[in-house]
Amino acid sequence: EVQLVESGGGLVQPGGSLRLSCAASGFTFSSYAMSWVRQAPGKGLEWVSHISGSAGTTYYADSVKGRFTVSRDNSQNTLYLQMNSLRAEDTAVYYCAKADCGGECYLTDYWGQGTLVTVSS
Amino acid sequence: DIQMTQSPSTLSASVGDRVAITCRASQSINSWLAWYQQKPGKAPKLLIHKTSSLQSGVPSRFSGSGSGTEFTLTISSLQPDDFATYYCHQYSSYSRTFGQGTKVEIK
Repeated sequence: EVQLVESGGGLVQPGGSLRLSCAASGFTFSSYAMSWVRQAPGKGLEWVSHISGSAGTTYYADSVKGRFTVSRDNSQNTLYLQMNSLRAEDTAVYYCAKADCGGECYLTDYWGQGTLVTVSS
Repeated sequence: DIQMTQSPSTLSASVGDRVAITCRASQSINSWLAWYQQKPGKAPKLLIHKTSSLQSGVPSRFSGSGSGTEFTLTISSLQPDDFATYYCHQYSSYSRTFGQGTKVEIK
């Protein structure tokens, strides 16, 4: 059974930093691309970033480019999202999401339960 | 970015009704269209991918159709478990986008 468990969310001041983690199990982690998708309170879904299974390719939404960095540790089956220069508009539940293949594939077939990031003074 | 527009935003229906949700893309996405169901406080669940392929374990009352820029999710006979918010999602490139959601409510 695929399991994705996010952690690291919390309250942070504007301009601050936070690192999210996602522990994966139930599949061969290194064989699948992964993404982060966020959902602001009461709003819809917004794709944030993508990383290939080998970590050789990363992509970012324009709204986070230059501030967020996605990475993965395939030896630990863990996905990360380093978030710097946080803004109020980054407040959202952040979901870790598994793609249906390892490289240039963009369908998400499984999601974690999400972790809430609140940016506020 | 490709914009995805869903209609309606809210749909009121009764158990047993046939319901349809429409999604329009701002440019052609071929068949790279998925539908997700989300319940309050829960993660989205994949229902349909590549326009009409039913994800494993999803009831057959869910179906998808369309191509190019116009797509439809149909629930043939609404069940109590189906009251939720539904999102269409284009994944034709890495810069993927979602519709704004359609909330299916009990009439």
